[in-house]
Amino acid sequence: EDKVVQSPLSLVVHEGDTVTLNCSYEVTNFRSLLWYKQEKKAPTFLFMLTSSGIEKKSGRLSSILDKKELFSILNITATQTGDSAIYLCAVASNSGNTPLVFGKGTRLSVIA
Amino acid sequence: SAVISQKPSRDICQRGTSLTIQCQVDSQVTMMFWYRQQPGQSLTLIATANQGSEATYESGFVIDKFPISRPNLTFSTLTVSNMSPEDSSIYLCSASRGQGTKELFFGSGTQLSVL
Repeated sequence: EDKVVQSPLSLVVHEGDTVTLNCSYEVTNFRSLLWYKQEKKAPTFLFMLTSSGIEKKSGRLSSILDKKELFSILNITATQTGDSAIYLCAVASNSGNTPLVFGKGTRLSVIA
Repeated sequence: SAVISQKPSRDICQRGTSLTIQCQVDSQVTMMFWYRQQPGQSLTLIATANQGSEATYESGFVIDKFPISRPNLTFSTLTVSNMSPEDSSIYLCSASRGQGTKELFFGSGTQLSVL
């Protein structure tokens, strides 16, 4: 059974700190790994990673995938209170029709 | 990215009643899905909404409890039937576009509370 494990489950940091969120996975016939930010109800897409070692970057957020060790990290530098959210990691496989398998998420709280 | 409109945004319902959630996508998509997110939990796939035919349900979810329609490429409904407090959850419509495309876009979600 495909599985996604995120750590830590929750994290509290001060504004300006840098955080690293972790995602490890087990999936049959891996296709891609995705990161989402969930502030209220709807997750919003951040990154899709398919190749090892290639960093994806968007502003203060960046992510990288290691397909050998089966994990990904999401980095947020110079955190702001607006970064407070649940960050979800999901993996897609080429097997079957299930689109994505989600981890439980990391709840990040950034305090001023 | 596809824009997905979902309604209602939230509802409070009595035990034993049913609620239908609507999902409208602004452009033609290949796949539409319904997820549930119970408090403190991650997203769990309920079913894949198939155009013009019965939805494909995941283990633990059945059509009698969660009937789904998808009459065309851009619209789908999910009904939560004979509700109980255990059905209190966020329900999310999602869609993806293109063959093999796995990036999902999400609707704004429906926060359901069952008393």
